[in-house]
Amino acid sequence: AQSVAQPEDQVNVAEGNPLTVKCTYSVSGNPYLFWYVQYPNRGLQFLLKYITGDNLVKGSYGFEAEFNKSQTSFHLKKPSALVSDSALYFCAVREMGTASKLTFGTGTRLQVTL
Amino acid sequence: AAGVIQSPRHLIKEKRETATLKCYPIPRHDTVYWYQQGPGQDPQFLISFYEKMQSDKGSIPDRFSAQQFSDYHSELNMSSLELGDSALYFCASSSPFGGRPGELFFGEGSRLTVL
Repeated sequence: AQSVAQPEDQVNVAEGNPLTVKCTYSVSGNPYLFWYVQYPNRGLQFLLKYITGDNLVKGSYGFEAEFNKSQTSFHLKKPSALVSDSALYFCAVREMGTASKLTFGTGTRLQVTL
Repeated sequence: AAGVIQSPRHLIKEKRETATLKCYPIPRHDTVYWYQQGPGQDPQFLISFYEKMQSDKGSIPDRFSAQQFSDYHSELNMSSLELGDSALYFCASSSPFGGRPGELFFGEGSRLTVL
């Protein structure tokens, strides 16, 4: 079975400060890891993914994430937060293989204030 | 670029009625997934299809059924609707080929409200 843990329900950060949204995962094989963002009443918007290769992955809107195999973590980061980054962020994992499902974490609400 | 299309975007039904949601995957994608996201919840996997066959099953109630057709579109049929079925239903598609392996592409979702 595969699972994702996002230990923080909400993260608060001031605009211009760096942000980190935490994610740890569990999967029996090799993982595909993803971050999605969801704005109110909208669909899931892809931010970035780790498949293989470089542990530091760069994605949309200045976000990046670092894959750490020994800690089974895939934390989302951004050097300088914007108020417009305020949204719900989901970490997700799927096991490599055809048609394997994507399992989401419970989501972390990011609130960026002026 | 073409995306995953879901219809209808919004649907209002009474208890005990039936509803059908449709999903049109990205062209040449062979796998479709259905997710249910209740208010304030994370998306929960319902069911998936690969090459028109059910490939995995999650927390889909017995009152729900789904299938994938020869043109790869999928339909989620929900019967005897309950208030707790009110949710945002997402469809996603994927392909093992192409430049973005492993990624699921999500539609905007169909919001079902059961009164």
